[in-house]
Formats: sequence, structure tokens, C-alpha cells
Amino acid sequence: QLQLQESGPGLVKPSETLSLTCTVSGGSISSSSYYWGWIRQPPGKGLEWIGSIYYSGSTYYNPSLKSRVTISVDTSKNQFSLKLSSVTAADTAVYYCARLGGVIHWGQGTLVTVSS
Amino acid sequence: EIVMTQSPATLSVSPGERATLSCRASQSVSSNLAWYQQKPGQAPRLLIYGASTRATGIPARFSGSGSGTEFTLTISSLQSEDFAVYYCQQYNNWPLALTFGGGTKVEIK
Repeated sequence: QLQLQESGPGLVKPSETLSLTCTVSGGSISSSSYYWGWIRQPPGKGLEWIGSIYYSGSTYYNPSLKSRVTISVDTSKNQFSLKLSSVTAADTAVYYCARLGGVIHWGQGTLVTVSS
Repeated sequence: EIVMTQSPATLSVSPGERATLSCRASQSVSSNLAWYQQKPGQAPRLLIYGASTRATGIPARFSGSGSGTEFTLTISSLQSEDFAVYYCQQYNNWPLALTFGGGTKVEIK
């Protein structure tokens, strides 16, 4: 059964870079049928797609975040990663990694708080 | 960018009653529309994809309909475990973009 697990710091200082990794188990990240991506949800608010990556490295980003986002993939480790630069309190959210095939298979999510 | 608008924002329903949730797209998304249920502290769970196909293990009381720009999620007889927030999501221009509606909270009346 496919499982996705986010990992990374739960607290990031303003102006620094948020870094998260998603480890995929129960399936190959090199599957030709899917993209892999990140979605976030600020406390008490709705869902926002951040970006997606194919195992080949091809990426798509939300235009509203594109200047600050980098998503990368490591097929040898069956992992993909998110970097979000110059964070502010507005970036405080639960960050979900996901398998994207149109519909979404979600990780459990991890809360990242931006605070000094 | 395709904008998804859900209504109402909050729906108060008594257990056993029918709930009807709406989702509107700013342009046609064909049938590339999914519905998710989210409970506090949990990741969203896929209910419906292709606008009307129930995901594996989803009870028959959940049904989806619509195409183009207007979609509906119906819960025929609300059970206690159905009180949650529901989101629609379009994937018509995936992988270029995914967009979500703002959500409808179904609460106990």
C-alpha cells in the first residue's frame, strides 16, 4: 500500500528557507503514471497546491509561489523535496506531500511554523 | 487560472437528512473534478473522482454529479461521521495546475 511520509523542521525563522522531504514507500517514484507534489493548508484555512514534479525532473509550480519554490526528486532514495525561500508567517501551514494523478493520494501532513 | 467556488461555506444539517454541496468552476473542467472529505487533524480523503465515480470504500450515500462548470456532492442521509469539511478540486489542466474550492463545512444542526 502506497505511503508518503513528510520529514523536516517544524519551526523555521522568518526570511529563512523551509525544507521538507517526502519519502515514498509501497510504490516507485519512477512510475510513469504519476507526478509527485506538495500541497499546503494554513491553520483553519483551505488547500493550496504548491507544485508538482515528474520522476524525470520536470516541474510545475503555482504561479503565486513560483519565485520562491524549488521541488526536486531523488529516484535512488524514492524521495522528493520542497524548498520554499524567504518565508514569512503567512507560510505557516500543514504541508502535505502527495502523489498526483489528477486525483490526489495524500501523506499525513506536517505542521511547519514560521516564527522567530 | 481556473477558480473553484464552493457554496455554501457552512451547511447545518440534522443527522439522517440530505446534504447538497455545490462547486462551480470559472471555466469548463469537463468531468475532471474530485471531492474530498477532511476531518480535524487529518489529511483529506478522496470521495469522488471523475465528477461521479466513488472512490474505493466510499459508502453509496455519497454521490457526485455535474460536468463542465457546475458540480454537486450529495450525501443522502447524513451519519455522525460525515460531519466534516468538503473540498472540490479540478484537475482538467493537470499537471500544469491543480486548484481547490474554498470548502464547505457540514455541521450538526
